Amino acid sequence: NAGVTQTPKFRVLKTGQSMTLLCAQDMNHEYMYWYRQDPGMGLRLIHYSVGEGTTAKGEVPDGYNVSRLKKQNFLLGLESAAPSQTSVYFCASRTSADMNTEAFFGQGTRLTVV
Amino acid sequence: GDSVTQMEGPVTLSEEAFLTINCTYTATGYPSLFWYVQYPGEGLQLLLKATKADDKGSNKGFEATYRKETTSFHLEKGSVQVSDSAVYFCALSPGRYNFNKFYFGSGTKLNVKP
Repeated sequence: NAGVTQTPKFRVLKTGQSMTLLCAQDMNHEYMYWYRQDPGMGLRLIHYSVGEGTTAKGEVPDGYNVSRLKKQNFLLGLESAAPSQTSVYFCASRTSADMNTEAFFGQGTRLTVV
Repeated sequence: GDSVTQMEGPVTLSEEAFLTINCTYTATGYPSLFWYVQYPGEGLQLLLKATKADDKGSNKGFEATYRKETTSFHLEKGSVQVSDSAVYFCALSPGRYNFNKFYFGSGTKLNVKP
C-alpha cells in the first residue's frame, strides 16, 4: 500500500533551471494538494486540484505551475527556479466522498536552489 | 476566512512532563479538526481528529477536544516521552461547502529531554 509517493526526494537546482516534481497516489482520491514548508511558516498551499483536468491556485502560487492530466498524478513545475523556492515540498491527497477524512501526505521533496 | 493559529515553539519538556499545545481556529461553517505529527525527515502523519463539537480525538496517549464555544482544539498528553519529539500541526477542514481546502497552523516543535 504505497499511499502518496513523491519523486524525487532530493534535488539541487541552479538558478534559472526548470524541473518537475511528481506526486502519485494510489487511493483513487479526487483532491490533491501541493504545499511548501519553510522554517517558522508552517505549510503553505501552492496549488490544488479537485479532480482530473482541474487545478486552482492556493496561497503562494507565483513561480509554480501544475497539471493533473491523470487522476492519480499531480505535477508541480518550476519553470525558472529561484533561491526563494528553496524549500521542502509536500504533496497530499484526500477523498471527496467524506468531508471528515484527513489528507494523506507524501514523504516530501527537499529542493535547494543555488 | 478560515484559519488556524498555534502557539509558538519550540516547546522543551523533560520526560514524563505534561504537554499542552494550544490551537485555535476561525471557521465560517462546521469544520473538522486534525492534529498531525511530523518526525524529523519525514512527512506529516495524522495523529488524531475530531469532526464535531465536543468530540474528543485520541491516539498514542494524546488527546484533543473540539470546543466550539472557545473555537479551540488543544493537544494534550499526560506524560511525554523522548520519542514524542517532533513538530505538531493543527489543521482544519472547512464545512460542507468548502471542504476541498485544508488549512494548517504554523507548527509547534516539541523537544523532550531525558
